[in-house]
Amino acid sequence: NAGVMQNPRHLVRRRGQEARLRCSPMKGHSHVYWYRQLPEEGLKFMVYLQKENIIDESGMPKERFSAEFPKEGPSILRIQQVVRGDSAAYFCASSQIVGQETQYFGPGTRLLVL
Amino acid sequence: QKEVEQDPGPLSVPEGAIVSLNCTYSNSAFQYFMWYRQYSRKGPELLMYTYSSGNKEDGRFTAQVDKSSKYISLFIRDSQPSDSATYLCAANTGNQFYFGTGTSLTVIP
Repeated sequence: NAGVMQNPRHLVRRRGQEARLRCSPMKGHSHVYWYRQLPEEGLKFMVYLQKENIIDESGMPKERFSAEFPKEGPSILRIQQVVRGDSAAYFCASSQIVGQETQYFGPGTRLLVL
Repeated sequence: QKEVEQDPGPLSVPEGAIVSLNCTYSNSAFQYFMWYRQYSRKGPELLMYTYSSGNKEDGRFTAQVDKSSKYISLFIRDSQPSDSATYLCAANTGNQFYFGTGTSLTVIP
């Protein structure tokens, strides 16, 4: 049973470009969470999605950031017009049941904005 | 005030030592409390979780939650160099998970 998969593992973008981060949850998991991790700051919740629904996006910046989890395919975190401050590690996690304690993380995508 | 506070360390101990990692939290609505281990440039890996107050033991690891003082602890017995990593505490209520900043642990052979 494959774990949570994320790609790309590393992404380099210039300021103003778009970044697309993909996450495939564990088999049988229908709940996906996105987090951002900055050095010294820990993991920060961004958004929680179920298939075709955004359930909680309270941690996501209002502008330039969007997320989706379509019926088919991976969840996508999209950052438009990236700025240097967007450089961070972005982790996706999945769980089988909402609020369940067993949330499994992917290896992360490290975004570097030049 | 952060939802979950954790001393970042770093913490350095000799092999075989008992390690104590601690966090405090502010939201009394938290129900599940988790510990994750994160190796450098990897994703967090769930180590243990507890529900409400009490202890939970798994091999060399013991997780402890004291809801009256809002205190979360992880004890590692007979620490090994392979335990060297960053340890993250976390708590959740509903669909939101809150993480501490992580404590960096180095176990010296």
